[in-house]
Amino acid sequence: QVQLQESGPGLVKPSQTLSLTCTVSGGSISSANYYWSWIRQSAGKGLEWIGRVYTDGSTGYNPSLKSRVTISLDTSKNQFSLKMSSMTAADTAVYYCARGSIACDFWGQGSPVTVSS
Amino acid sequence: QSALTQPASVSGSPGQSITISCTGTSSDIGSYDLVSWYQHHPGKAPKLMIYEGSKRPSGVSSRFSGSKSGNTASLTISGLQAEDEADYYCCAYAGANTFVVFGGGTKLTVL
Repeated sequence: QVQLQESGPGLVKPSQTLSLTCTVSGGSISSANYYWSWIRQSAGKGLEWIGRVYTDGSTGYNPSLKSRVTISLDTSKNQFSLKMSSMTAADTAVYYCARGSIACDFWGQGSPVTVSS
Repeated sequence: QSALTQPASVSGSPGQSITISCTGTSSDIGSYDLVSWYQHHPGKAPKLMIYEGSKRPSGVSSRFSGSKSGNTASLTISGLQAEDEADYYCCAYAGANTFVVFGGGTKLTVL
């Protein structure tokens, strides 16, 4: 059974860069042709797709976030990561990592991130 | 504002059927058979219920079904049960520049 677990700081100051890591267990992140995605949900709002990385390292991002987001793979650690720069209060949300892109079949439990000074 | 339009809420009594619509455009739902539906209970991870418009992942009840007509996808839940009460989101492929879009979510209340 594939499991995903997000890790990272729960609090980020405005203008700083958020760094989150998703550790995958129960399967190799590079052994199959999967997308690995980041998705977030702000309080009282719906799900928002942030972006994805493919097994070969190619990426795709939400156009509204593209200028601030980098997603990458670390196959040696079986992890993938999210970096989001210039954080503001509007980026306060629960951040999920997931396997897949449109059809995400395995998800992490979510990592709450608050942007505040 | 979400790219896909869903009703904010729907409700039904146990045993009844309900349908949640998800309206997009000819650039997303209308062009690709790549629509997924998620069930999301607060505080838990979303769960994939339907993918590629009408396919159910292993372990998902046959009470859940998906369909598409034109630019609108639909999720139907038959034989409503109390545990079906949750938020439901549609998700679709929107082409090589936008990639993935979500609906705003629909809160299902089982009366």
